[in-house]
Amino acid sequence: QAQLVQSGAEVKKPGASVRVSCRASGYTFSNYYMHWLRQAPGQGLEWMGIINPSGENTRYLEKLRGRFTMTRDTSTSTVYMDLSGLRSEDTAVYLCARGSPVDYYTMDVWGKATAVIVSS
Amino acid sequence: DIVMTQSPDSLAVSLGERATINCKSSQSVLHSSNNKNNLAWYQQKPGQPPKLLIYWASTRESGVPDRFSGSGSGTDFTLTISSLRAEDVAVYYCQQYFDFPPTFGQGTEVEIK
Repeated sequence: QAQLVQSGAEVKKPGASVRVSCRASGYTFSNYYMHWLRQAPGQGLEWMGIINPSGENTRYLEKLRGRFTMTRDTSTSTVYMDLSGLRSEDTAVYLCARGSPVDYYTMDVWGKATAVIVSS
Repeated sequence: DIVMTQSPDSLAVSLGERATINCKSSQSVLHSSNNKNNLAWYQQKPGQPPKLLIYWASTRESGVPDRFSGSGSGTDFTLTISSLRAEDVAVYYCQQYFDFPPTFGQGTEVEIK
């Protein structure tokens, strides 16, 4: 069945950058949009960005523009997120998700989350 | 951005009883072109990622039990769990995908009374 496996937890200092990966299996990766979302401790879901199946087009949350980048590698069925200029408020769990075939802005398969802690 | 507001923030329901969660959007999420509401519901159990329950406001995702139902149109929506089971303890989120960026409600925590 479709599955998304994310990379492990990260601890970073303020101002640093982080890369989180999400490897897909059990479906044709190149046919689906992919998302990144995050959830701060005790908070709700915040959508961050989307990348199209070919990887040529991305759209990001406006407030992350300039600090956030999504890429994908079809050869390894992996999607990446890079977040730079880390601040304490970036401390959260980060989740990748697949865009549903019904509407790619809904998310039907989710990774199990990666904790990113930003602390001096 | 479209603001999604859920009510209540939490509710406690007895096993076998009905649970009702409301979601209100700051503008209509009804597409006039296809008469569909771009509204989804997700369930997030403790320590787990969210799970898609319902899309188009009322269509259950494959495998979702029929005790879960969605209703509403325009700006006002409801998720109903007809007969609460212990495994339904979770936080439930609504999400609009009518406009960019997609946005979520703050979540409603459902627990057993």
